[in-house]
Amino acid sequence: QKEVEQNSGPLSVPEGAIASLNCTYSDRGSQSFFWYRQYSGKSPELIMFIYSNGDKEDGRFTAQLNKASQYVSLLIRDSQPSDSATYLCAVITSGTYKYIFGTGTRLKVLA
Amino acid sequence: SQTIHQWPATLVQPVGSPLSLECTVEGTSNPNLYWYRQAAGRGLQLLFYSVGIGQISSEVPQNLSASRPQDRQFILSSKKLLLSDSGFYLCAWSGGLDYEQYFGPGTRLTVT
Repeated sequence: QKEVEQNSGPLSVPEGAIASLNCTYSDRGSQSFFWYRQYSGKSPELIMFIYSNGDKEDGRFTAQLNKASQYVSLLIRDSQPSDSATYLCAVITSGTYKYIFGTGTRLKVLA
Repeated sequence: SQTIHQWPATLVQPVGSPLSLECTVEGTSNPNLYWYRQAAGRGLQLLFYSVGIGQISSEVPQNLSASRPQDRQFILSSKKLLLSDSGFYLCAWSGGLDYEQYFGPGTRLTVT
């Protein structure tokens, strides 16, 4: 059973701090990794994807991938109250069309 | 740019009634299409996916079915709804070089 694990939270951080969200996956054949943000009552929004080991930065967001440890993370710098949402981690394995999602981590940024 | 539409946005249906949810994608051709369900406070459950017209893969045996009558149209149906069918139904598409998947706005279904 291929799995993606996330801490459900809530993860509470003060405004302006760095929020660190973590995700582990079980399938070593996983090829691409995605982070989604989902506000309450809304559909998931893709914010980052990564497929190479290392860091990928986009504005205040940095995705980090370590395939040896089967670990992917999302850092949010200068966290804002508007970043308060549930963050979903997803992976896809080479040769398949199915995305495996974690259950999400709820982030609360305190003003 | 690509756009994905879903309708209706909300739906309240009695137990035992039929269901038809529609999803269309604009701005791309031959997308992979997906139906997910998200129960309240829960994760995403993959229901169906399709890699081409008439090609449907079912992930969860239940009273739902899916069809893809056109390249960019994906329909989720049921002949008789159950209370457990309540949830947030999300259509998604993928097809980019980096396998990104994008979601539609969703349909919130309440079965009463």
